[in-house]
Amino acid sequence: NAGVTQTPKFRVLKTGQSMTLLCAQDMNHEYMYWYRQDPGMGLRLIHYSVGEGTTAKGEVPDGYNVSRLKKQNFLLGLESAAPSQTSVYFCASNTPRGNYGYTFGSGTRLTVV
Amino acid sequence: SQQGEEDPQALSIQEGENATMNCSYKTSINNLQWYRQNSGRGLVHLILIRSNEREKHSGRLRVTLDTSKKSSSLLITASRAADTASYFCATASGSARQLTFGSGTQLTVLP
Repeated sequence: NAGVTQTPKFRVLKTGQSMTLLCAQDMNHEYMYWYRQDPGMGLRLIHYSVGEGTTAKGEVPDGYNVSRLKKQNFLLGLESAAPSQTSVYFCASNTPRGNYGYTFGSGTRLTVV
Repeated sequence: SQQGEEDPQALSIQEGENATMNCSYKTSINNLQWYRQNSGRGLVHLILIRSNEREKHSGRLRVTLDTSKKSSSLLITASRAADTASYFCATASGSARQLTFGSGTQLTVLP
């Protein structure tokens, strides 16, 4: 099925550890985004990309890095995890052609202890 | 910061009743969208309304947009237990149509 795939689905990290979340989409979308969702809140934008090789900061970029080496993949990295980064992370993609909603992945639940 | 603020935060209704959720936002937008999120799942796009549109329908959904008041409403008619979920409004702006989300309305439809 076409869509956005996130890996892993769950992860527990110790403070100071690093990890990479992978997002892959097969819809040939130019735009990709990483959001985080904390309990009882809406989603907040971490970083986004308008195309291969480009990235930009969103609302809450501190502590995260991203890379878009291939059009279909968007990686989110945590270099030194902190408990404040405990959250559910969602990747999404979109096309600049027309007015369409985002396609979201199913999320990665990250706990930093 | 949350661009969209939604009201009410929680809504509980009986199956068959209509559910109305409201959203207010602060800045100019390209479009406004509504999403549904079932517990523990990702977000699903429901409907998009452009900034030059005032009303839009999709099945049992009706969305209105008032750009002068910077507000929108989502009406779900003849609700079903399966409509139980969190509903988020999101405004699109910027070069990459970045979405800014509200804090959501938790809708519970009782059978």
